[in-house]
Amino acid sequence: NAGVTQTPKFRILKIGQSMTLQCTQDMNHNYMYWYRQDPGMGLKLIYYSVGAGITDKGEVPNGYNVSRSTTEDFPLRLELAAPSQTSVYFCASSYPIRTGGRGANVLTFGAGSRLTVL
Amino acid sequence: GDSVTQMEGPVTLSEEAFLTINCTYTATGYPSLFWYVQYPGEGLQLLLKATKADDKGSNKGFEATYRKETTSFHLEKGSVQVSDSAVYFCALTGTGGFKTIFGAGTRLFVKA
Repeated sequence: NAGVTQTPKFRILKIGQSMTLQCTQDMNHNYMYWYRQDPGMGLKLIYYSVGAGITDKGEVPNGYNVSRSTTEDFPLRLELAAPSQTSVYFCASSYPIRTGGRGANVLTFGAGSRLTVL
Repeated sequence: GDSVTQMEGPVTLSEEAFLTINCTYTATGYPSLFWYVQYPGEGLQLLLKATKADDKGSNKGFEATYRKETTSFHLEKGSVQVSDSAVYFCALTGTGGFKTIFGAGTRLFVKA
């Protein structure tokens, strides 16, 4: 299985340009997420989706948009790129597990997309 | 809201040394707790998890115990190897939730 596949791995944008980060998973997970990782700041949730046709904002949604037309795909759109969007972006999907009667949500991550806005 | 605090790095150890990375959390109800590891140039991957108080998660020689009384989930390993050099993230998922909150990450360097 490929797991979670992100493209592109690297991209340089000029201020004001737009682009789409692609994310595909082949595990039939209902939940999908986009995070950004800034140095020393951990991961911040941008958007998430609980199934096809359903998306919602995370902690830092401004400047981004998403769509979820299929279970497999969850693209992230950057409109009017700004230097503050320079970061590493991770897509993830998850499945709920139950252990000893308790639930948990285990994330599977893609390899990341490094975006630089100049 | 829910949050995770973990010790700042980097942590530098010699091979075969004992490792502890501290993690504390704030959450209502009964969160599930996780440690994820990120090797250079890769995405995060699950290292271990615990879903209720006093549970011990373990994997690859790493262990962490869910301590509700101290709201902690410290990561330990008795003897680290050079190949353990990575960034370690403590994380939680709130009760009944599916959004995961991450700590800032702790970078570990292990010297031969």
